[in-house]
Amino acid sequence: QLQLQESGPGLVNPSETLSLSCTVSGGSFSRSNLYWDWIRLPPGRGLEWIGSVSNSGSTSYSPSLKSRVTISVDTSKRQVSLKLSSVTAADTAVYYCARRWDISGWAHDYWGQGTLVAVSS
Amino acid sequence: DIQMTQSPSSVSASVGDRVTITCRASQGISSWLGWYQQKPGKAPKLLIYAASSLQSGVPSRFSGSGSGTDFTLTISSLQPEDSATFYCQQVDSFPVTFGQGTRLEI
Repeated sequence: QLQLQESGPGLVNPSETLSLSCTVSGGSFSRSNLYWDWIRLPPGRGLEWIGSVSNSGSTSYSPSLKSRVTISVDTSKRQVSLKLSSVTAADTAVYYCARRWDISGWAHDYWGQGTLVAVSS
Repeated sequence: DIQMTQSPSSVSASVGDRVTITCRASQGISSWLGWYQQKPGKAPKLLIYAASSLQSGVPSRFSGSGSGTDFTLTISSLQPEDSATFYCQQVDSFPVTFGQGTRLEI
């Protein structure tokens, strides 16, 4: 059974860089047509897609965040990482990693439990 | 970006009712649409992919239809555990975008 687990600091200072990891256990990690995405849910708002990485390292980012986001993959560790620089209070959210692949019509069929990150001094 | 607009924003219904949520895309997305259910404090759960395909393990009272720009999610007979927020999502092109959500109260 595939499991995704996000980890990282729950509190980040304004203007600093938010860094999260997602560790994937079980299931396939490196097949073709499979991507690992980051999605966030700000308090009181809807879901926002942040970006995506393939097992080869190919990335796509939300245009609204592109200048501040880096998503990377380490296949040997079965980990996906998210870095978001120059954070503000608007980046406070629950951050999720999720799988997206062709088998599920490119929808996100497995999600981590999410991790709350607050941006505050 | 493709804008996804859901309606209604919230709905209140009773156990056993039939409920329909609609989602409209700002441009055609073929059938590249997913529906999710999210309960407070939990991750979203995929219900429907490719507009009408039921995800494994999801009860058959959930169904999806539509293509192009107009889509619907139908819950045929509401159960108490269906209380949640529902989101549509287009995966036709980047950036992936979600509707604003529909809160369903039982």
